[in-house]
Amino acid sequence: GAGVSQSPSNKVTEKGKDVELRCDPISGHTALYWYRQSLGQGLEFLIYFQGNSAPDKSGLPSDRFSAERTGGSVSTLTIQRTQQEDSAVYLCASSPPGSTEAFFGQGTRLTVV
Amino acid sequence: EDQVTQSPEALRLQEGESSSLNCSYTVSGLRGLFWYRQDPGKGPEFLFTLYSAGEEKEKERLKATLTKKESFLHITAPKPEDSATYLCAVQRMDSSYKLIFGSGTRLLVRP
Repeated sequence: GAGVSQSPSNKVTEKGKDVELRCDPISGHTALYWYRQSLGQGLEFLIYFQGNSAPDKSGLPSDRFSAERTGGSVSTLTIQRTQQEDSAVYLCASSPPGSTEAFFGQGTRLTVV
Repeated sequence: EDQVTQSPEALRLQEGESSSLNCSYTVSGLRGLFWYRQDPGKGPEFLFTLYSAGEEKEKERLKATLTKKESFLHITAPKPEDSATYLCAVQRMDSSYKLIFGSGTRLLVRP
């Protein structure tokens, strides 16, 4: 079956521009997560959705970062006024109900120039 | 503070040369410890979840073990296709979703 799908695969943007990253989770998965992977560092938790609500946004680095999920499915991570330190791979994952096993997408590599 | 430390950072093995990767953790109440494999340009791929000290799980040439302070990923007679970055992550008892990752071990298996 289809896995977690993320788009775009790569994004190059100019400093100060806004970007939107999209995640399409596995059908039927109620939990959705965003992580960030910077060069040479481990994955960093950003936000968790259960259905359309986000009970844990504690990992969002600043108020320039926001995320939403609609219809219990697709999620969008938005970064406003991008900075060079935002350059990283942004990974989305989803889990089926009652499971803690997270299935990851291939990620979006964001480069801010 | 929760912490996950993986060692070594990088490991080079000859095909068939068995070895172990280490994941040391400090967490207030462990719900589970997870191992993932990550190939270049791809997202992490789930391998194992371990929940209690003494637990072991196997998959092909990989075996994961867990103690109260650390986990080992044993690789028996590795093949070049086992080359990847192996990530360890822990989940706290008070969180059913958030994973705290280590920085990973980059494994290269030469033919």
